[in-house]
Amino acid sequence: QQQVKQSPQSLIVQKGGISIINCAYENTAFDYFPWYQQFPGKGPALLIAIRPDVSEKKEGRFTISFNKSAKQFSLHIMDSQPGDSATYFCAATRYNQGGKLIFGQGTELSVKP
Amino acid sequence: GAGVSQTPSNKVTEKGKYVELRCDPISGHTALYWYRQSLGQGPEFLIYFQGTGAADDSGLPNDRFFAVRPEGSVSTLKIQRTERGDSAMYLCASSLFNRDTQYFGPGTRLTVL
Repeated sequence: QQQVKQSPQSLIVQKGGISIINCAYENTAFDYFPWYQQFPGKGPALLIAIRPDVSEKKEGRFTISFNKSAKQFSLHIMDSQPGDSATYFCAATRYNQGGKLIFGQGTELSVKP
Repeated sequence: GAGVSQTPSNKVTEKGKYVELRCDPISGHTALYWYRQSLGQGPEFLIYFQGTGAADDSGLPNDRFFAVRPEGSVSTLKIQRTERGDSAMYLCASSLFNRDTQYFGPGTRLTVL
């Protein structure tokens, strides 16, 4: 059972453009939604995270939009740069489950110069 | 300070052999997590430790997989009678407490021939 579904699988964006990655979840008990960035040969690194009591969170060029009723959340990367080229994973967890993360399948982002 | 380290970085073994994968968490982090990442997929939770005890081992696929953390720091993931389907990247993460940001290591790439 896939509890977190992520799309698209891959994304090509021109430098300066906006990258948008979407995720949908099934378990309404999830209460913490992080996004991770992974470069080849490295482990995932936390990028930004949100809790369901807010609809949007922005950190620099990265924004999470959260729609609780639709059980969806998305990552927007503004002014995308070639250095942003990486694989991005959304995840979800229940606060009282000790932090066990349920990941989406990943989106491979390529930003063309 | 030093991040999460994992050894070896690569492990090639033959079907049926026993392997051990080691994780050194960030000093002082009480929670430690193991995930498995297949090619092109998101990490999948295996087990998490709070201190020395396994607080949640619900992700271990079968009884060939076992993990320990005897002194509450270093952890070892042990796989008996390896199968080709065990081939994957094994990731370790640690966090200060069990609901904090998880910091991932670079992973161990396991290949079972």
